[in-house]
Amino acid sequence: QQQVKQSPQSLIVQKGGIPIINCAYENTAFDYFPWYQQFPGKGPALLIAIRPDVSEKKEGRFTISFNKSAKQFSLHIMDSQPGDSATYFCAASRGGSAGNNRKLIWGLGTSLAVNP
Amino acid sequence: NAGVTQTPKFRVLKTGQSMTLLCAQDMNHEYMYWYRQDPGMGLRLIHYSVGEGTTAKGEVPDGYNVSRLKKQNFLLGLESAAPSQTSVYFCASSYLTGGDQPQHFGDGTRLSIL
Repeated sequence: QQQVKQSPQSLIVQKGGIPIINCAYENTAFDYFPWYQQFPGKGPALLIAIRPDVSEKKEGRFTISFNKSAKQFSLHIMDSQPGDSATYFCAASRGGSAGNNRKLIWGLGTSLAVNP
Repeated sequence: NAGVTQTPKFRVLKTGQSMTLLCAQDMNHEYMYWYRQDPGMGLRLIHYSVGEGTTAKGEVPDGYNVSRLKKQNFLLGLESAAPSQTSVYFCASSYLTGGDQPQHFGDGTRLSIL
């Protein structure tokens, strides 16, 4: 059972467009929601993360929107560039005793292509 | 500062052969992880370690063993490789609690089992 559902599976936009990637979760105990970016041939790297006490977080051209009541969060990429072409993963985790339960639950990923 | 280094980068094995994948990190991180990545399956956690000398099972541990004899190294072993273990394997590390601290990934080991 996929605890974090990510959509779409793939996405193509033109340069300057605003791709939006959505994630939905089931476990209300999740309290940390990161997004990772992965370029071909490389490992994922943390892009931006949010906690449920805020509804939005911006870092440069990347924005996370968080809707706690709907149990959804999304990544928006403003003024997208061909260099943003990558696979994006959302994830979620929850606190546990002594931090031992803080494993990431990953979405399946979205392959983004930004055409020039 | 190399971060997380995985060796080898590529390997082809025959069914039934054994091998060990090595992960080394130079960031003094407590937590280390092994994932496999398959098309359409995202990242699946194989095993992880919360400190030197400790290991724990993840989501898909069958067919794999791990060891963390030194804090900076995390080894993933395949005792008898099977074609279903063809995948890209990623190692990651993080400081203390792994969930809300960034996981730093290596560039992966591409493993094919014939």
